[in-house]
Amino acid sequence: GNSVTQMEGPVTLSEEAFLTINCTYTATGYPSLFWYVQYPGEGLQLLLKATKADDKGSNKGFEATYRKETTSFHLEKGSVQVSDSAVYFCAHMEYGNKLVFGAGTILRVKS
Amino acid sequence: DAGVTQSPTHLIKTRGQQVTLRCSPKSGHDTVSWYQQALGQGPQFIFQYYEEEERQRGNFPDRFSGHQFPNYSSELNVNALLLGDSALYLCASSSATGGVETQYFGPGTRLLVL
Repeated sequence: GNSVTQMEGPVTLSEEAFLTINCTYTATGYPSLFWYVQYPGEGLQLLLKATKADDKGSNKGFEATYRKETTSFHLEKGSVQVSDSAVYFCAHMEYGNKLVFGAGTILRVKS
Repeated sequence: DAGVTQSPTHLIKTRGQQVTLRCSPKSGHDTVSWYQQALGQGPQFIFQYYEEEERQRGNFPDRFSGHQFPNYSSELNVNALLLGDSALYLCASSSATGGVETQYFGPGTRLLVL
């Protein structure tokens, strides 16, 4: 069935380090892809999205490129901050506009 | 412009009871989706409402039911609560008009079943 696989966390980085969180998916066709972020005790916030192959989504210094050949949508940021500490969820949108989420990756950034 | 709102924020129930959670969508949105997020896991799709009808349903038992009102707000009802229903329940709203229906989430209702 359709699924999303994210790298396991927690990922612990020092401030200003480079971040990569891997995400791969299995789906029929070419679904839209999303990254959401969840801060402690809160709901999910949309971070970025890409709706077709080779699209690059970007927001707040985060980027992810839709790679259909590798069915991947890895999240990157060049220089993380302590305030980026949160749980990051990769998701794809199935037919019928249902989101399928990965298990989430905890990011901890130390000052 | 208010975002997605949910009520209540927290709720404690006992096994066998029934619960109703409420959601108001973002202004201009007409579609509401509900998700269950167990501790340490990603959200799981419960169902989606559009034009007051259930448009799609995930793999949840009939104890989970919902409703959408003419003003697009929605309720999630869970009957005969089980301990395993303890979770964060998230509502997301989107617009069905044109393009990808990007979903925007509310803060969630945290349900604890004792």
